[in-house]
Amino acid sequence: GALVYQYPRRTICKSGTSMRMECQAVGFQATSVAWYRQSPQKTFELIALSTVNSAIKYEQNFTQEKFPISHPNLSFSSMTVLNAYLEDRGLYLCGARDGGGTEVFFGKGTRLTVV
Amino acid sequence: GQQVQQSPASLVLQEGENAELQCNFSSTATRLQWFYQHPGGRLVSLFYNPSGTKHTGRLTSTTVTNERRGSLHISSSQTTDSGTYFCANMGYKLTFGTGTSLLVDP
Repeated sequence: GALVYQYPRRTICKSGTSMRMECQAVGFQATSVAWYRQSPQKTFELIALSTVNSAIKYEQNFTQEKFPISHPNLSFSSMTVLNAYLEDRGLYLCGARDGGGTEVFFGKGTRLTVV
Repeated sequence: GQQVQQSPASLVLQEGENAELQCNFSSTATRLQWFYQHPGGRLVSLFYNPSGTKHTGRLTSTTVTNERRGSLHISSSQTTDSGTYFCANMGYKLTFGTGTSLLVDP
């Protein structure tokens, strides 16, 4: 079956520092990967959509300078949260889909706490 | 932009009761997907259902595309069904609904 692994599951970082999170697709080729942040209030925000061999498209309020993303191959993507502050807290979810473009499969998320 | 509204926002049931969760979306171009989110955060795909009706166990998903709505029916609810249910509409990006928080009491 199609699985998406995210690492780490939880992380705590000091305000102003950076942390990197990873997303790996197993059992399918992740031709597109979307990174979301879910707030403590449960709402989802799309950060960026990354498609292999295409430019990464960031949503409004999110920038490459703050959330650089790497999507080097069909099974792996990583995102860094630079200079994390309190407002960056939340659950970061990676959703991947294959070239058929139907279902999106999610990992368990990386929960970021900023202290 | 595309909007996805869910109702009710929260629901409390006694074990054994049925639940009907609603999803309304602003676009006629739909590729509707239902997710269950565990209390710990894990998001599990329940159905990918662009139109029509699909069944899995005690769950039934119905999407009526021309009416821009979908529903998730849970029959004979169990305490383990407790959690948050999201519908999402897939365009070039997945737009999530506002979620329905379900609590099933024993």
